[in-house]
Amino acid sequence: SQTIHQWPATLVQPVGSPLSLECTVEGTSNPNLYWYRQAAGRGLQLLFYSVGIGQISSEVPQNLSASRPQDRQFILSSKKLLLSDSGFYLCAWSRDRFGLNSPLHFGNGTRLTVT
Amino acid sequence: GENVEQHPSTLSVQEGDSAVIKCTYSDSASNYFPWYKQELGKRPQLIIDIRSNVGEKKDQRIAVTLNKTAKHFSLHITETQPEDSAVYFCAASHMKTSYDKVIFGPGTSLSVIP
Repeated sequence: SQTIHQWPATLVQPVGSPLSLECTVEGTSNPNLYWYRQAAGRGLQLLFYSVGIGQISSEVPQNLSASRPQDRQFILSSKKLLLSDSGFYLCAWSRDRFGLNSPLHFGNGTRLTVT
Repeated sequence: GENVEQHPSTLSVQEGDSAVIKCTYSDSASNYFPWYKQELGKRPQLIIDIRSNVGEKKDQRIAVTLNKTAKHFSLHITETQPEDSAVYFCAASHMKTSYDKVIFGPGTSLSVIP
């Protein structure tokens, strides 16, 4: 079966510090990978998606970047955090079914507080 | 632009009653409609989904209906239980090149009162 791991679970970082969140998927190959952000009491905002190694697309301009160095590894980064970067970050994967929609499977999330 | 609206934003029901959450979408290319449940502090999890070639789907106490003409879809929970309390997100999705373009609704916070 497929599993998705995301870490750390919680993180408190000062403004201006760097960020690195990591996500790995097991049990599947060539997954589509996503980073979402959820502000407190709000919906899910897509930040980045990736359909393959080294292929990253951004949905919204921001202070963050993403990388996919391996097939099942997705990393969210920032060089200098802003207060507005605080939120609940969720990694997700979906199966590439060549045109057939498939559901998103989310990781447990990282709660980031920028102070 | 692409948008999914969801109503109500909050919903309180007595245990045993039914709960209905309604969503509308704007992108006529959407052909897949999943529903996610998110308990407090946890990740969203898929509870049911429906594809555009189906008008209704049921799984035990949960059912989803879809009206493609009107671009409406709804979640129905019968015989609600306290463990149904959570935030529910609807979503509309279509394949965009090779990834799933998913637009989420803003969520409905459901409280089931024992």
